[in-house]
Amino acid sequence: SQQGEEDPQALSIQEGENATMNCSYKTSINNLQWYRQNSGRGLVHLILIRSNEREKHSGRLRVTLDTSKKSSSLLITASRAADTASYFCATPYYGGGSQGNLIFGKGTKLSVKP
Amino acid sequence: AAGVIQSPRHLIKEKRETATLKCYPIPRHDTVYWYQQGPGQDPQFLISFYEKMQSDKGSIPDRFSAQQFSDYHSELNMSSLELGDSALYFCASSLSQNYGYTFGSGTRLTVV
Repeated sequence: SQQGEEDPQALSIQEGENATMNCSYKTSINNLQWYRQNSGRGLVHLILIRSNEREKHSGRLRVTLDTSKKSSSLLITASRAADTASYFCATPYYGGGSQGNLIFGKGTKLSVKP
Repeated sequence: AAGVIQSPRHLIKEKRETATLKCYPIPRHDTVYWYQQGPGQDPQFLISFYEKMQSDKGSIPDRFSAQQFSDYHSELNMSSLELGDSALYFCASSLSQNYGYTFGSGTRLTVV
């Protein structure tokens, strides 16, 4: 079963607006990571938040983590057309003797219109 | 800074052929991962290596195998290719579980 489920599946906003994407997961986690992927390209690591952290910032990105609800959100402030991409949350999976391989959610496809 | 290097970037093969994908991780990263991403799908974990030893296996078909060599580069070998194997294949490396992964640009495999 997947570790991360994200919503919305797609989000379309105007440049300058904020974009919020949510992620839920099913099991206990050590950390949760967000990645960005431009169409057909590689995944780029954006931010990692540890299970004992509640909020983390990186530039225009703000990530929150609520371990009691098993959910996280990624907020992109003052969006730009260049932020158009798919955004995935991912959690390391330790079940069945696994060493922490990342399990990805379905992703949110963000479109920022100029 | 050096990133994860994958080759080739694009590969077209016919059904039942074999393919070999290569990955050169970031120096000093101790773990290499392979992922498969179908069109419009999230990346699916295939297999990983820690210090050149296979550490975990995900949804990797028996037709696929992988290894990591003494210079830490890794190869994913795919045999008896099927149309459904057409996908983006990513390699990633990491230093430890508490750091993000660095992904390569991927190999786009098309099976015709």
